[in-house]
Amino acid sequence: DAGITQSPRHKVTETGTPVTLRCHQTENHRYMYWYRQDPGHGLRLIHYSYGVKDTDKGEVSDGYSVSRSKTEDFLLTLESATSSQTSVYFCAISSGAYGYTFGSGTRLTVV
Amino acid sequence: GQQVMQIPQYQHVQEGEDFTTYCNSSTTLSNIQWYKQRPGGHPVFLIQLVKSGEVKKQKRLTFQFGEAKKNSSLHITATQTTDVGTYFCAGRSGGSNYKLTFGKGTLLTVNP
Repeated sequence: DAGITQSPRHKVTETGTPVTLRCHQTENHRYMYWYRQDPGHGLRLIHYSYGVKDTDKGEVSDGYSVSRSKTEDFLLTLESATSSQTSVYFCAISSGAYGYTFGSGTRLTVV
Repeated sequence: GQQVMQIPQYQHVQEGEDFTTYCNSSTTLSNIQWYKQRPGGHPVFLIQLVKSGEVKKQKRLTFQFGEAKKNSSLHITATQTTDVGTYFCAGRSGGSNYKLTFGKGTLLTVNP
């Protein structure tokens, strides 16, 4: 959707390396979210942000950290990638009033 | 924590048949949202329901929110091949203004 972009779209990385995924929005929305999607698990919340430098954990936050130094950018870092973190990662934004707008996703493979 | 259960997990229909997916929450919801994700794509917001007993329609899609605000359904009349995808419900409880809890989704396939 217009207004939210994720980068990179695809990444292959080795076990034990740090990885950073970027979410960028041009909508000036307050809320930003990182989800992972795996077969049989649906969408699971990793971390979310409700303002600049205001972040909180979701249900599957272990092994992940986030930062939001400005409204438009929300970074997700895998501190030391493991094979269990192979997944599709979606960023989403929200004004708080209606639905989420999702990015196109990042397909991450940890080998 | 809040849980949102969605059934069925999969549904295969012949084109022209109807389809329904159901969503149940362990807690009372302030609102519920529905999303559609096409194969290989990202979830796309369809609709939000807020009021107890609310019914909304979008062409062949009918969305309902239960009287107790703990369950919801999406019904598609006369499915078409363009309806293929995974349908997710997502609930927001009163104490978690920032977060949605997603059901695991129902994958709909349509045989032409």
